[in-house]
Amino acid sequence: GDSVTQMEGPVTLSEEAFLTINCTYTATGYPSLFWYVQYPGEGLQLLLKATKADDKGSNKGFEATYRKETTSFHLEKGSVQVSDSAVYFCALPIGGKLIFGQGTELSVKP
Amino acid sequence: GAVVSQHPSRVICKSGTSVKIECRSLDFQATTMFWYRQFPKQSLMLMATSNEGSKATYEQGVEKDKFLINHASLTLSTLTVASAHPEDSSFYICSALTRRSYNEQFFGPGTRLTVL
Repeated sequence: GDSVTQMEGPVTLSEEAFLTINCTYTATGYPSLFWYVQYPGEGLQLLLKATKADDKGSNKGFEATYRKETTSFHLEKGSVQVSDSAVYFCALPIGGKLIFGQGTELSVKP
Repeated sequence: GAVVSQHPSRVICKSGTSVKIECRSLDFQATTMFWYRQFPKQSLMLMATSNEGSKATYEQGVEKDKFLINHASLTLSTLTVASAHPEDSSFYICSALTRRSYNEQFFGPGTRLTVL
């Protein structure tokens, strides 16, 4: 069945470090892919998206490329900030619903 | 644009009382709204999908008589937790789809329910 697998957290980095959060998916066809971010005590916000293979989504310094050949959508940021501390969810829209990965908690220390 | 609000943001109630949570799309008409439940340090669990003017579709294992969903208009959906018990304590989040958003859901800020 359709599914999303994310790298397990928590991930702890120092400020200005490079971030990668892995996300792979299983789905029929070529759906869109999303990364959502959840700050403490809040709902989810769309961080970036890609609607077809080889698309690169980007926002706030974060990037992710839709790789059909590896069925992946890894999230990257070159230099993280303390304010990036949050939980990140990879998501796959299927049949009008969103299938979420388990979430990866990121903690950035000054 | 595409702002979703929830009210209340936090509620504490005694066991046995019913609690209503509102989800509103503030600047758009929501063709479909979703209700999720999130436990600490976990992902979101979809509870139900609702379309304006029709009955909600519940996910397997979600009690329809416990979690009552009403989608009365294109901008309002409500979740009522009937006769709440401590095990119903959780973070409840709603989201909405617009006609133009295709499959991108817009999320509310969540409601923290604590049942004593």
